[in-house]
Amino acid sequence: DTEVTQTPKHLVMGMTNKKSLKCEQHMGHRAMYWYKQKAKKPPELMFVYSYEKLSINESVPSRFSPECPNSSLLNLHLHALQPEDSALYLCASSQVWGPGSYEQYFGPGTRLTVT
Amino acid sequence: GENVEQHPSTLSVQEGDSAVIKCTYSDSASNYFPWYKQELGKGPQLIIDIRSNVGEKKDQRIAVTLNKTAKHFSLHITETQPEDSAVYFCAASSTGNQFYFGTGTSLTVIP
Repeated sequence: DTEVTQTPKHLVMGMTNKKSLKCEQHMGHRAMYWYKQKAKKPPELMFVYSYEKLSINESVPSRFSPECPNSSLLNLHLHALQPEDSALYLCASSQVWGPGSYEQYFGPGTRLTVT
Repeated sequence: GENVEQHPSTLSVQEGDSAVIKCTYSDSASNYFPWYKQELGKGPQLIIDIRSNVGEKKDQRIAVTLNKTAKHFSLHITETQPEDSAVYFCAASSTGNQFYFGTGTSLTVIP
């Protein structure tokens, strides 16, 4: 089973709202990722968690706050977003992060619209 | 850093024909090359991958070839079907697990 699940599927929020995106995997993977994808563009890496610790932050604005409560769960907390933050937010996981070549499996994404 | 170029950006083929998508990369240290298929409204799905110690890999109608000397790799889909219509992304990864994606190819298979 290579399933990564994400909730919600769609989210509409105002610029003053606080919301959270959730991601879950039960493949025993120890690396989890958040990507942002704009229409007709490839995914852009935002954050990497390795063994529940933040390993990579690709200079993402602080209005995006990731959290990894345990090895199966990954959250992305959203606050004071801008309309340009509207995008498909993808979660992915891989066996580990680091030297080597490991398959990354993506979830279906959360379609976020900021009004 | 790594730079991955992907061509063509759009591709239309008749059902039953073959489709070829090509990617080039710049970092000779890259050693892992996955291909993803993304259907409308869905997340990217890993369809095939190749590592730098292999020149070709095949899975039913899908094959990937790698030329390390020329730094390019290609996706080949034979006997295309309408359900192959999607956006395809190539990627390259080197010493870490960070993926550098190509810009995507929108494939349309015409019945």
